[in-house]
Amino acid sequence: DAKTTQPTSMDCAEGRAANLPCNHSTISGNEYVYWYRQIHSQGPQYIIHGLKNNETNEMASLIITEDRKSSTLILPHATLRDTAVYYCIVRVENNDYKLSFGAGTTVTVRA
Amino acid sequence: NAGVTQTPKFRILKIGQSMTLQCTQDMNHNYMYWYRQDPGMGLKLIYYSVGAGITDKGEVPNGYNVSRSTTEDFPLRLELAAPSQTSVYFCASSYLGGYNSPLHFGNGTRLTVT
Repeated sequence: DAKTTQPTSMDCAEGRAANLPCNHSTISGNEYVYWYRQIHSQGPQYIIHGLKNNETNEMASLIITEDRKSSTLILPHATLRDTAVYYCIVRVENNDYKLSFGAGTTVTVRA
Repeated sequence: NAGVTQTPKFRILKIGQSMTLQCTQDMNHNYMYWYRQDPGMGLKLIYYSVGAGITDKGEVPNGYNVSRSTTEDFPLRLELAAPSQTSVYFCASSYLGGYNSPLHFGNGTRLTVT
């Protein structure tokens, strides 16, 4: 049963990099780490995912430790529009379809 | 592509009434999901479907029913609304199982039961 642990909240200065940590110490070898975010009351939005290697796209970078027990989402230049709840999730209970969204990290970007 | 479309956006029900929350996607995704989100909380899976004619329970299925007669549509039915079902409901879809491909979410239906 792969679960994740994230800080409840964090602040970030506009224009600076935001580093969001996530622990997933029980992750299995074939489970991906996914990051989503939810802005205000909209539906969650996919950001990025990875298995072993670090990943980068137009939104963010994902750094996964070599033992895969933790990861960090990096927003390189945070803007006020990045204020949101960020969810780090993996598969639940060896079920291909069920994903567990915990409370996530509330990120507030300040001017 | 419109993506995942949910209707209605808002609804107020009286206790004991019934309603259907509509969800449709135009991405030809096999997998569809219903989540609910209570204030300040994460999302909890209600039901999911891996294809037309196939549905299964998630974490919190009591009080809800679903059907999947087509690939595109995955309606959620509340038969006897209760105050505990006041929540925001999100529908999502994915090409493969949720851990192996990104979920695409609709913008939600905000339901109040009084």
